[in-house]
Amino acid sequence: GQNIDQPTEMTATEGAIVQINCTYQTSGFNGLFWYQQHAGEAPTFLSYNVLDGLEEKGRFSSFLSRSKGYSYLLLKELQMKDSASYLCAVNNFNKFYFGSGTKLNVKP
Amino acid sequence: DTAVSQTPKYLVTQMGNDKSIKCEQNLGHDTMYWYKQDSKKFLKIMFSYNNKELIINETVPNRFSPKSPDKAHLNLHINSLELGDSAVYFCASSQDLGGGETQYFGPGTRLLVL
Repeated sequence: GQNIDQPTEMTATEGAIVQINCTYQTSGFNGLFWYQQHAGEAPTFLSYNVLDGLEEKGRFSSFLSRSKGYSYLLLKELQMKDSASYLCAVNNFNKFYFGSGTKLNVKP
Repeated sequence: DTAVSQTPKYLVTQMGNDKSIKCEQNLGHDTMYWYKQDSKKFLKIMFSYNNKELIINETVPNRFSPKSPDKAHLNLHINSLELGDSAVYFCASSQDLGGGETQYFGPGTRLLVL
């Protein structure tokens, strides 16, 4: 089967840096996505990794290690609006498998 | 303009009823998907269509029947609704199939079966 694990919930302070980890075990791999989902809203795309290494996009960075089945999403200079769930998703031959998401609470 | 739209946004119905959810995308994408998000927030793929053809049909009860009249539309019909069908159903689209294709999600349809 396909298995994607993320911590259920994290709390961080405004202005700080937080790292959200994702480990996966899938029968195939065509890339890993991170999505942000605010409560009651649709997921929106944040980042995509298919090769090992770090992808940086403004305050958000995502890292991938395919040999370890591991990725993380790094959020810098946290803002209150970053309070949301962050979903890790693996693409496996045109199928997307999502983790259950990490709920991030940003405190003032 | 909304890129991926779904109707209705909320759906409350009785067990045993039949209901449909509609999805439309104006992004010119070739691929569309249906996902179910349960109370534990897992997003599970149900179906995907590419150019109106069914590509992925996950282990979903055959009470669920998707229909794609054209590339821009993917509807979901559910027969004999059960309590366990209560969830949020998201439609999504991507330019094409393929590992690197970003998916764009609709706002979701919150289905509650009583």
